[in-house]
Amino acid sequence: KQEVTQIPAALSVPEGENLVLNCSFTDSAIYNLQWFRQDPGKGLTSLLLIQSSQREQTSGRLNASLDKSSGRSTLYIAASQPGDSATYLCAVVSDKLIFGTGTRLQVFP
Amino acid sequence: DTGVSQDPRHKITKRGQNVTFRCDPISEHNRLYWYRQTLGQGPEFLTYFQNEAQLEKSRLLSDRFSAERPKGSFSTLEIQRTEQGDSAMYLCASSLGWGNQPQHFGDGTRLSIL
Repeated sequence: KQEVTQIPAALSVPEGENLVLNCSFTDSAIYNLQWFRQDPGKGLTSLLLIQSSQREQTSGRLNASLDKSSGRSTLYIAASQPGDSATYLCAVVSDKLIFGTGTRLQVFP
Repeated sequence: DTGVSQDPRHKITKRGQNVTFRCDPISEHNRLYWYRQTLGQGPEFLTYFQNEAQLEKSRLLSDRFSAERPKGSFSTLEIQRTEQGDSAMYLCASSLGWGNQPQHFGDGTRLSIL
């Protein structure tokens, strides 16, 4: 059974710091991995989708990497801003998404 | 592209009542998914459709839950005889195809059982 773990569970940093959020999964037989952002009381916003044949994806200040063999993905946020404060979820993709419990990020001015 | 739309945004009801939620996916998306999210947890898969066919149901989906997607467009999720444990955010997502296509989520329906 696939299990997805995210570390840390919560993170509080000053504005401008570069951050790394970690995601690990137990079964490397995945199609893809997707990173989401969730604001309080809201749905999920897709940030990046890394296909199983890819090693990384970039969008603006965000970079996500995938190492299937070790069952790990990281989300790198450069030059963090208060507007980045949210919960970040990773999900491994088979026919459906299997989510981790998320990392709650707070960026203070 | 108007995004995935869910209705209602909030539902408060008494234990034992029936509730129905609606999801309108992004047009031309043939896959539609339902997830449930409780406080502090990631979403958990409930069921998904490809066009009008319901292809998989989670064991979380007890016989009090039923989902439909008539004509392969919008979908409804009904919960009969609601229980306290049904209180959660119910999220709908859609995608074009599977696997290599991202899932796009609606803002969810928050259900509170009194």
